[in-house]
Amino acid sequence: GNSVTQMEGPVTLSEEAFLTINCTYTATGYPSLFWYVQYPGEGLQLLLKATKADDKGSNKGFEATYRKETTSFHLEKGSVQVSDSAVYFCALSGSSSARQLTFGSGTQLTVLP
Amino acid sequence: NAGVTQTPKFRVLKTGQSMTLLCAQDMNHEYMYWYRQDPGMGLRLIHYSVGEGTTAKGEVPDGYNVSRLKKQNFLLGLESAAPSQTSVYFCASIRRGATLNEQFFGPGTRLTVL
Repeated sequence: GNSVTQMEGPVTLSEEAFLTINCTYTATGYPSLFWYVQYPGEGLQLLLKATKADDKGSNKGFEATYRKETTSFHLEKGSVQVSDSAVYFCALSGSSSARQLTFGSGTQLTVLP
Repeated sequence: NAGVTQTPKFRVLKTGQSMTLLCAQDMNHEYMYWYRQDPGMGLRLIHYSVGEGTTAKGEVPDGYNVSRLKKQNFLLGLESAAPSQTSVYFCASIRRGATLNEQFFGPGTRLTVL
């Protein structure tokens, strides 16, 4: 079955530091890959997405590249801000007709001023 | 549009009590999902529905029941709550014809079972 393995947290960084959150996946076929973000007290919001190999998703300064050869979709940001403090989830969508998502365990990011 | 809403936001139950969580969406989405979120485990799918009147089991369905009598509503029921069901519950929805599997999430319900 499908699975997503995500870098364990929590991660604490100083403002303007470089961020990497690792995500690898196992899936049959060609899944779509997502990063969702959950701000304190809120539901999940889509941060970025990629649908095929070598696609780069980007949003709000965050980037992730769909690497089929390494089955990875690592999240990066060159300079984090305090407002980026949140929980980040890597997810995949496989070939299920019910369009189910499989999530990683989530990574708590705290950015200190 | 309100998007996806969930009722209630918080609830405390005693073991053995029952309750129903309501999810409503105003986007005319066909597919709806219930997830639970537990520390270190991400989101796990409880049940889902691909249309009015249809439901199916997800990864962790035991102890829960669901109903989808109206297209816009998806109810999650706990008949006899257990402490293991203490969690944050999220509802999500997506349009059947969406080109990408971007699910839209509600704000969550925090449930504590004592």
